Amino acid sequence: GESVGLHLPTLSVQEGDNSIINCAYSNSASDYFIWYKQESGKGPQFIIDIRSNMDKRQGQRVTVLLNKTVKHLSLQIAATQPGDSAVYFCATQGAGNTPLVFGKGTRLSVIA
Amino acid sequence: DAMVIQNPRYQVTQFGKPVTLSCSQTLNHNVMYWYQQKSSQAPKLLFHYYDKDFNNEADTPDNFQSRRPNTSFCFLDIRSPGLGDAAMYLCATSRDNRGNEKLFFGSGTQLSVL
Repeated sequence: GESVGLHLPTLSVQEGDNSIINCAYSNSASDYFIWYKQESGKGPQFIIDIRSNMDKRQGQRVTVLLNKTVKHLSLQIAATQPGDSAVYFCATQGAGNTPLVFGKGTRLSVIA
Repeated sequence: DAMVIQNPRYQVTQFGKPVTLSCSQTLNHNVMYWYQQKSSQAPKLLFHYYDKDFNNEADTPDNFQSRRPNTSFCFLDIRSPGLGDAAMYLCATSRDNRGNEKLFFGSGTQLSVL
């Protein structure tokens, strides 16, 4: 079956530094990938997505990198701010009508 | 501005007492999902509706039921809540379910079982 996991459960970074959150997935048929941010007591909030025909996509202060060869996904946050403190989930979906599978989550703490 | 609205924000129920959680959406999306999220864990899909078609996950207990009376509303019914059902319940929507569709989540309902 498919599993999605994260390399690190917690990550602490200094304010202003760049953050990198990693995610490994097992299903080579996965073709859609999403990063969500979840603040305490709130629902997951969409950050950025990428399809399998791409290897990089940029948003505002965030970049997602996809390496299909090693089934690895990363989220890079530039100039990390205190407001970025949250749990970050990667999620992956196979082709067609298959459910989104969430990884375990990484807690990002920003040190002021 | 809220697009997926869950009520109530916090719900307390007694062991074995039926409880209903509500979700509404203003996005006119075809698909509505219910996820269960326990502390420090990933959201776990319970079931979803594509329009009026109900899709149950294989490992969702029979204790959990859902209703979708119209496009905008979806309910989660827990017939006999146990202590292990205490969790955050997240409602989400997507435009379609053919893949490559991001989910929009509500703020969740935190359920406590006494």
